[in-house]
Amino acid sequence: SQQGEEDPQALSIQEGENATMNCSYKTSINNLQWYRQNSGRGLVHLILIRSNEREKHSGRLRVTLDTSKKSSSLLITASRAADTASYFCATDRNNAGNMLTFGGGTRLMVKP
Amino acid sequence: EAGVAQSPRYKIIEKRQSVAFWCNPISGHATLYWYQQILGQGPKLLIQFQNNGVVDDSQLPKDRFSAERLKGVDSTLKIQPAKLEDSAVYLCASSSHSSYNSPLHFGNGTRLTVT
Repeated sequence: SQQGEEDPQALSIQEGENATMNCSYKTSINNLQWYRQNSGRGLVHLILIRSNEREKHSGRLRVTLDTSKKSSSLLITASRAADTASYFCATDRNNAGNMLTFGGGTRLMVKP
Repeated sequence: EAGVAQSPRYKIIEKRQSVAFWCNPISGHATLYWYQQILGQGPKLLIQFQNNGVVDDSQLPKDRFSAERLKGVDSTLKIQPAKLEDSAVYLCASSSHSSYNSPLHFGNGTRLTVT
């Protein structure tokens, strides 16, 4: 079974709006990563947050991590049409090295 | 730096035929992964290599799938014989080492259609 599950499965917003995606996972982790996938392409790493961190920023991206609730959120501010893609969270199980398990993804559409 | 290279980009075969995919990771990356991504789902790890040794292949259907990474660089994933449910995108990824906190770099994948 997949370790991480994203919510919502699909999200449609207007350009300029903020987009929030959530990820829940089941077991203890070392870190949680977010990836983006454009249609027909491979995944691109966006941001990594360690288990001892609560919040991290990168440009228009803001990631939070709540290990007590086993959940994370990805916020994209001031969205652009180019942000249209699928977004996946990935977790590595404690003591499992860098073996990432991906969730089912959130498909984001940003309308111009 | 050059990214992860995969070939072919697309492949269409009939069920029971065999197929092979090739991956060249980023130069110097010791860890290589093969993922299977079925349409509408997230990637599922098939096998992870550290140099030319297998770290984990617990989700690889070994009755029909095989993978090797000779000399710890390029890797090949083979399916023999293919089934309809093998239709998916096969993604190769690499990372600089196997410890956690190392982001994965993905290729653009091979889209396999089994008819």
